[in-house]
Amino acid sequence: QSVLTQPPSVSAAPGQKVTISCSGSSSNIGENSVSWYQQLPGTAPKLLIYDSDKRPSGIPDRFSGSKSGTSATLGITGLQTGDEADYYCGTWDSSLRAGRVFGGGTKLTVL
Amino acid sequence: QVQLQESGPGLVKPSGTLSLTCAVSGGSISSSNWWSWVRQPPGKGLEWIAEIFHSGSTNYNPSLKSRVNISVDKSKNQFSLNLRSVTAADTAVYYCARGDTMTMIAYWGQGTLVTVSS
Repeated sequence: QSVLTQPPSVSAAPGQKVTISCSGSSSNIGENSVSWYQQLPGTAPKLLIYDSDKRPSGIPDRFSGSKSGTSATLGITGLQTGDEADYYCGTWDSSLRAGRVFGGGTKLTVL
Repeated sequence: QVQLQESGPGLVKPSGTLSLTCAVSGGSISSSNWWSWVRQPPGKGLEWIAEIFHSGSTNYNPSLKSRVNISVDKSKNQFSLNLRSVTAADTAVYYCARGDTMTMIAYWGQGTLVTVSS
């Protein structure tokens, strides 16, 4: 059972927009920023979003992030077949279970 | 560009110790970053294991802390993971990574599959 909760799967057609939610608590998302990672099949995770809404160099502006309270959201516009991947949110948990925590991952299917 | 490369046995016997090393290139392990280990069981999600700062400060996943040791070798620009008393549940792809902040992992190794089996 992951500390952060994500939907197992989402899907949308090419060119459309999709959002992926990440729900946490006051000890993690509530007091820390959120990162998002993209994991293409058979590869290592790749940083997509950091500090809840910032994109590293080289990440297209089709990818966006936001945070409100104890939840965060990843948005992807102009979906491409190459976006099919697993997406994970992550942050730091300051409770007794302190440490880096991740969501269970969301499989994005571009129909 | 920072690169990380995991190395170690791909097969470990039950009750044995899993030992992995991560070689860091393109940057110094003495930089102000946390050097982490993250694992991913086949078909499952990511699980953070532990991390170390070049000073030797460490953070551990509470659920694994009793079995894990992480260390750094500044002379070789690498860090290592030992996981004791392994079972089949420890079978996973193990990634080494660089944490640029407490909430962000900017660089990941390619990962190495470790299978626990007799």
